[in-house]
Amino acid sequence: GAGVSQSPRYKVAKRGQDVALRCDPISGHVSLFWYQQALGQGPEFLTYFQNEAQLDKSGLPSDRFFAERPEGSVSTLKIQRTQQEDSAVYLCASSPASAGELFFGEGSRLTVL
Amino acid sequence: QKEVEQDPGPLSVPEGAIVSLNCTYSNSAFQYFMWYRQYSRKGPELLMYTYSSGNKEDGRFTAQVDKSSKYISLFIRDSQPSDSATYLCAMEDTGRRALTFGSGTRLQVQP
Repeated sequence: GAGVSQSPRYKVAKRGQDVALRCDPISGHVSLFWYQQALGQGPEFLTYFQNEAQLDKSGLPSDRFFAERPEGSVSTLKIQRTQQEDSAVYLCASSPASAGELFFGEGSRLTVL
Repeated sequence: QKEVEQDPGPLSVPEGAIVSLNCTYSNSAFQYFMWYRQYSRKGPELLMYTYSSGNKEDGRFTAQVDKSSKYISLFIRDSQPSDSATYLCAMEDTGRRALTFGSGTRLQVQP
């Protein structure tokens, strides 16, 4: 595709609901990343995949957060039992190799009421 | 204390001015240094990518890294209203693919 595509762009959830955020990386990109960006802050690393392997999940804030990339392409970030502090923009980025420039999507803005 | 510190601004300058944006960091393991630009409700886009100390120039943009002082800068010459955005510094250490971002500086260039 032309760029990294994320859906939904906006999601409102009631506290306690589960949400799933999708990322479609640039075709052929090996590496995929998820970041969380709170209002007025810089992005914070959540997790990293190389193909289908999740190589680093040290940034996931709790066991309510889960990410997968089963076929090494599309990825889903799942948040269970959402809390108000989960409200943020979730950014996905991909990279053509194991090093180098990251290409970010426009993000999924999650609001938990 | 955060690993990367960045003044949030906002920084307001007239069109044509030279802009200086800065970050300090505390982690000596950082080896790669980047500047991203983020427009409102958009994802960050890479502006500059440098490795080790020194200067790198690309058009109106110059990135400087001083590893001895743990200080990086981005200079924008002949600033334009279209440069109005949030500028994020980011750093990466060797062996780990996770970027550590500053909190971003909001820049407004007045026509």
